[in-house]
Amino acid sequence: GDSVTQMEGPVTLSEEAFLTINCTYTATGYPSLFWYVQYPGEGLQLLLKATKADDKGSNKGFEATYRKETTSFHLEKGSVQVSDSAVYFCALGGTGANNLFFGTGTRLTVIP
Amino acid sequence: SQTIHQWPATLVQPVGSPLSLECTVEGTSNPNLYWYRQAAGRGLQLLFYSVGIGQISSEVPQNLSASRPQDRQFILSSKKLLLSDSGFYLCAWGLGLATYEQYFGPGTRLTVT
Repeated sequence: GDSVTQMEGPVTLSEEAFLTINCTYTATGYPSLFWYVQYPGEGLQLLLKATKADDKGSNKGFEATYRKETTSFHLEKGSVQVSDSAVYFCALGGTGANNLFFGTGTRLTVIP
Repeated sequence: SQTIHQWPATLVQPVGSPLSLECTVEGTSNPNLYWYRQAAGRGLQLLFYSVGIGQISSEVPQNLSASRPQDRQFILSSKKLLLSDSGFYLCAWGLGLATYEQYFGPGTRLTVT
């Protein structure tokens, strides 16, 4: 069945460091892929998305490219800020039931 | 624009007591609605989803139930809470079809004591 495997955390980086959070997926067909972010005590916010192979989603300096050949959707940011500290979830748009399949989440802490 | 509300924000309930969490969406019609649970330090677990009034699909058997009495209202209930029901409950809405995007409410933190 459809699933998402996400890099385990926690991840701790210094401000202005480069960020990569790995995400790979298993799916039949051509799913949409998403990254959501959850700030402390809040719900999830859609960060970026890609709906087909080779699409690049981007928002707030974050980017992720839909790679069909490697079934991956890694999240990257060139220079993280303290305000980026949050939990990041990779998700796959499943077929049939209109559901999202979420990864387990990766907690990022950025220190000044 | 669309907004989603959840209440209460925080709830502390004793074991065996009933539960009712409410979620409402504004600014859209006939959305798909979802209830998720997030246990401490863990990922999201889909509990229920609904594609229309009175239509509920359960993903995980448990002592929780859901109802959708109106188009933009989704209620999560329990007759008797268990300790294991503690967690962060998130409601979400989506338009379904091919995009699968979902938009989340602020969540309810439930502690069962």
